[in-house]
Amino acid sequence: GAVVSQHPSWVICKSGTSVKIECRSLDFQATTMFWYRQFPKQSLMLMATSNEGSKATYEQGVEKDKFLINHASLTLSTLTVTSAHPEDSSFYICSAREGASGNTIYFGEGSWLTVV
Amino acid sequence: GQQLNQSPQSMFIQEGEDVSMNCTSSSIFNTWLWYKQEPGEGPVLLIALYKAGELTSNGRLTAQFGITRKDSFLNISASIPSDVGIYFCAGQSPGNQFYFGTGTSLTVIP
Repeated sequence: GAVVSQHPSWVICKSGTSVKIECRSLDFQATTMFWYRQFPKQSLMLMATSNEGSKATYEQGVEKDKFLINHASLTLSTLTVTSAHPEDSSFYICSAREGASGNTIYFGEGSWLTVV
Repeated sequence: GQQLNQSPQSMFIQEGEDVSMNCTSSSIFNTWLWYKQEPGEGPVLLIALYKAGELTSNGRLTAQFGITRKDSFLNISASIPSDVGIYFCAGQSPGNQFYFGTGTSLTVIP
């Protein structure tokens, strides 16, 4: 089956620094990847849709200058949390759609970010 | 983004009982997907449905794509403690957008 891998699984960073999370589709090409944020016991909150070779589309209320998304290849999208603050601490999850118009999406394992 | 109506929001059941949850939408979908998420992990795809009326099983799990294309349900038979988790539905619209349900939190009491 299709596999999506996220790295790192856990990261702790100091307030004010930036941290990058990678999302890779291991055995398929993903023109479109999605980034979510999830608070404890809550549903997934879509942050942005990442399209290979073009700018990401951000959901309302998500700061694009704070959450930088780059989708430079068909198998890799990155989320960079810039100038992180404690309130950015959360579980970040990516997913990928198989193919340009695939009808199934697969999720990564998630990345826990703690900002101290 | 838009979210689908998923119910119930949470369930507490005895081990061995059957479970049923559903998702509804005001508009039609071409695909329905069901995921399970365990604490601290990403959602894992359980069942994918691609045709109205389709009924698909995966072990003790059965899901159906509603004939109106506006709903889907997931059943779990003879629940066991490891079924604990949050179950999400997702639908793909004719416009190729994905929408998610708010999740059903399942607790199985041994």
